[in-house]
Amino acid sequence: ETGVTQTPRHLVMGMTNKKSLKCEQHLGHNAMYWYKQSAKKPLELMFVYNFKEQTENNSVPSRFSPECPNSSHLFLHLHTLQPEDSALYLCASSQAGGGGSNQPQHFGDGTRLSIL
Amino acid sequence: AQSVTQLDSHVSVSEGTPVLLRCNYSSSYSPSLFWYVQHPNKGLQLLLKYTSAATLVKGINGFEAEFKKSETSFHLTKPSAHMSDAAEYFCVVSDGPGNTGKLIFGQGTTLQVKP
Repeated sequence: ETGVTQTPRHLVMGMTNKKSLKCEQHLGHNAMYWYKQSAKKPLELMFVYNFKEQTENNSVPSRFSPECPNSSHLFLHLHTLQPEDSALYLCASSQAGGGGSNQPQHFGDGTRLSIL
Repeated sequence: AQSVTQLDSHVSVSEGTPVLLRCNYSSSYSPSLFWYVQHPNKGLQLLLKYTSAATLVKGINGFEAEFKKSETSFHLTKPSAHMSDAAEYFCVVSDGPGNTGKLIFGQGTTLQVKP
């Protein structure tokens, strides 16, 4: 059983819809991450939060809006998405204020997003 | 800048034979290195990590990896493949000393295990 839970597991939406992805971790970690995994591409880091504060935005388009209300929850709000945004979105968490050199990240099972 | 290269995009082995997944890294400092596995429709699971202690690292499910600084390699091995090992494997390097919160992922190697 994973300590990082993502909902929904699958999401189909039109380009004009607004939806949110949710991530919850039960590991007592204080850093959380959003990644995008597309076919044939390496995993792409999108956002990093340490102690609820955003510390990294990897040039992500504004149609993706993250929210971290506390150290256990992370959301990704979606609006006006494009077909190329279809991908698996993975959430991860780690200990010690950001993971980094020797703290592994623990991943959820992801949300498979399809944009029509 | 740190980077990681997985030398094979696909590896196919027969059940019961050894597994070798190759990874080279580039780093301007002493890196932390990880191997993760991803089964279909699942997230990434940590197999093992190297953090400047013993150069031979043992992980879960019988996997191990050896850190070779002279060769800048961190290859993943297993003596005997099992059907359940079929998955995508990622070699990962930390993006700098300290708690930067960033990991650099390789392109992945798909391991196929034939009966």
